[in-house]
Amino acid sequence: GAGVSQSPRYKVAKRGQDVALRCDPISGHVSLFWYQQALGQGPEFLTYFQNEAQLDKSGLPSDRFFAERPEGSVSTLKIQRTQQEDSAVYLCASSQRLGLKFYGYTFGSGTRLTVV
Amino acid sequence: DQQVKQNSPSLSVQEGRISILNCDYTNSMFDYFLWYKKYPAEGPTFLISISSIKDKNEDGRFTVFLNKSAKHLSLHIVPSQPGDSAVYFCAASEDADALNFGKGTSLLVTP
Repeated sequence: GAGVSQSPRYKVAKRGQDVALRCDPISGHVSLFWYQQALGQGPEFLTYFQNEAQLDKSGLPSDRFFAERPEGSVSTLKIQRTQQEDSAVYLCASSQRLGLKFYGYTFGSGTRLTVV
Repeated sequence: DQQVKQNSPSLSVQEGRISILNCDYTNSMFDYFLWYKKYPAEGPTFLISISSIKDKNEDGRFTVFLNKSAKHLSLHIVPSQPGDSAVYFCAASEDADALNFGKGTSLLVTP
């Protein structure tokens, strides 16, 4: 596709519910990142994939967060037993190859998760 | 622990004048610095970047300056236009692909 697509755009979850957030990166982009942006804050790194390999998950806040990219394209971020502090915008970004950080990444529009 | 800091939450500038957005960082190992622009309900879009081996990079109306000794960088927009009104994020990377972002500065350019 022309850009990074994320779905759903908005998600309201009851506390304790499991959610799954989807990211369709730009076709052919090897690297994929997930970031969490709380209200009034900058995006914070969650995890990073190179193709299907999850190379860094140091930013995942707890073991309730899980990400996968089984075929090296679409990625899913899953949050189990959601809590109110999980409310944030979840951003996905992709880049064409490793080390392209000088040129930045292409971000999707994000999924706004509200836990009530 | 915030490694990238944008101490001005907001900035208002008249159209045609210069906008200067500032950013400080604490990690001396950062080797790439980037500026992103974000409109409401959209993801951040890449604006301009600079490598730690340079002290200036220019792209049209946008120039980024890097002062490594002071661990400071700034984004200059000249001349500012109303369409530049957005939130600007400074980000830095340490030889890894994860970006460390500041909290952002909301720029308002008034006609």
